Amino acid sequence: EVELLESGGGLFPPGGSVRLSCVGSGFTFNDYTLTWVRQSPGQGLEWVSAISGSGGTQYYAGSVKGRFTISRDNSKNTLFLQINGLRAEDTALYYCAKQSWGSGSPRGHFDSWGQGTFLTVSS
Amino acid sequence: DIQMTQSPSSLSASLGDRIIITCQASQDIRNHLIWYQQKSGQAPEFVIYDVSNLKSGVPSRFSGSGSGTHFTFTITNLQPEDVATYYCQQYDRVPITFGQGTRLEIK
Repeated sequence: EVELLESGGGLFPPGGSVRLSCVGSGFTFNDYTLTWVRQSPGQGLEWVSAISGSGGTQYYAGSVKGRFTISRDNSKNTLFLQINGLRAEDTALYYCAKQSWGSGSPRGHFDSWGQGTFLTVSS
Repeated sequence: DIQMTQSPSSLSASLGDRIIITCQASQDIRNHLIWYQQKSGQAPEFVIYDVSNLKSGVPSRFSGSGSGTHFTFTITNLQPEDVATYYCQQYDRVPITFGQGTRLEIK
């Protein structure tokens, strides 16, 4: 069974930095593109970033480009999201999600999701 | 970016009803359209992929149709367990984009 477990959220000040993590199990980790999707309180889903199976190609939403860095450590089955220059609007539940097929560019549906880690940006 | 316009934003229907949610893409996305169901306090789950393919185990009263820019999601014989927010999502172009969601409740 596929499992994704996010961590690293909490309360952080504006301007600060945080690194979110997602550990995957139950599948061949480097065979799949992985994605971060966030959901602000009471709001909809927003695709944030994705990374190819090898980690060699990263994709970002325009709203986060330059502040967010996605990476992965396939030896540890772990996906990361580094967020710098935190803003109040980054407050959200951050989900990691597994693409249904492929290790290249984002495509297909997300067939597995973690339960999310909540990031609050506030002084 | 491809904009996904979903309507209605909320919907109240009775048990046994048929409901329809629409999703309009700002450009042709071929059949690269997914529908997710998100129940309160839970992560989203896909229910339909590539416009009309039902996820294994999802009841056949769920269905999807459309092509190009206009898509619909239908639930017939509405059941209490269908209460959720539903999202469409395109993957034809990066960035992947979602519709705003449709909150479905039972009258």
